[in-house]
Amino acid sequence: GAGVSQTPSNKVTEKGKYVELRCDPISGHTALYWYRQSLGQGPEFLIYFQGTGAADDSGLPNDRFFAVRPEGSVSTLKIQRTERGDSAVYLCASSSAGELFFGEGSRLTVL
Amino acid sequence: AQSVAQPEDQVNVAEGNPLTVKCTYSVSGNPYLFWYVQYPNRGLQFLLKYITGDNLVKGSYGFEAEFNKSQTSFHLKKPSALVSDSALYFCAVRRGGGFKTIFGAGTRLFVKA
Repeated sequence: GAGVSQTPSNKVTEKGKYVELRCDPISGHTALYWYRQSLGQGPEFLIYFQGTGAADDSGLPNDRFFAVRPEGSVSTLKIQRTERGDSAVYLCASSSAGELFFGEGSRLTVL
Repeated sequence: AQSVAQPEDQVNVAEGNPLTVKCTYSVSGNPYLFWYVQYPNRGLQFLLKYITGDNLVKGSYGFEAEFNKSQTSFHLKKPSALVSDSALYFCAVRRGGGFKTIFGAGTRLFVKA
């Protein structure tokens, strides 16, 4: 596609459930980022991939969060045992070298 | 460690007047600096960047920003504001040669007709 695609756009789940968020980056972009944005806040860095490997996962809040990018294109952010504090918009971005191109985000609500 | 400070939560300006949205940064080495804009219920859109060269960079929609190394600042400016410029603006920094990009908390710009 022409831009970064994220699915689902909205996800409502119950506390303790498992969630997967998907990101399809711009074709040819080797770098892929995940950010989390809470209401009224700036994007908080979670993890960055260069190709298939996680080059920097220092922003993942704890071991309930995990992300993969097995073929160097699509990425999945996985959240286990969701908590109400995980509620936020999860943003994905891709880049070829300079600026980031963002998707519209996946809004996660944990009840 | 990298960090970005946007000291103003909100900036109000009348249409047709110049606007400035402030940003200061901290990063080891040479900085790569960016401005992004976010409209309601939309993803972030790139406005402009400073990598190297001329300290004054021009971007989309008539925006420009000035890199000031001694003050570690990268303020966003526009000579004449439009009502349609009302949005949330984010400054971001990356260490030169690196990829981790850190964002500021954002500044909400209101342009009144």
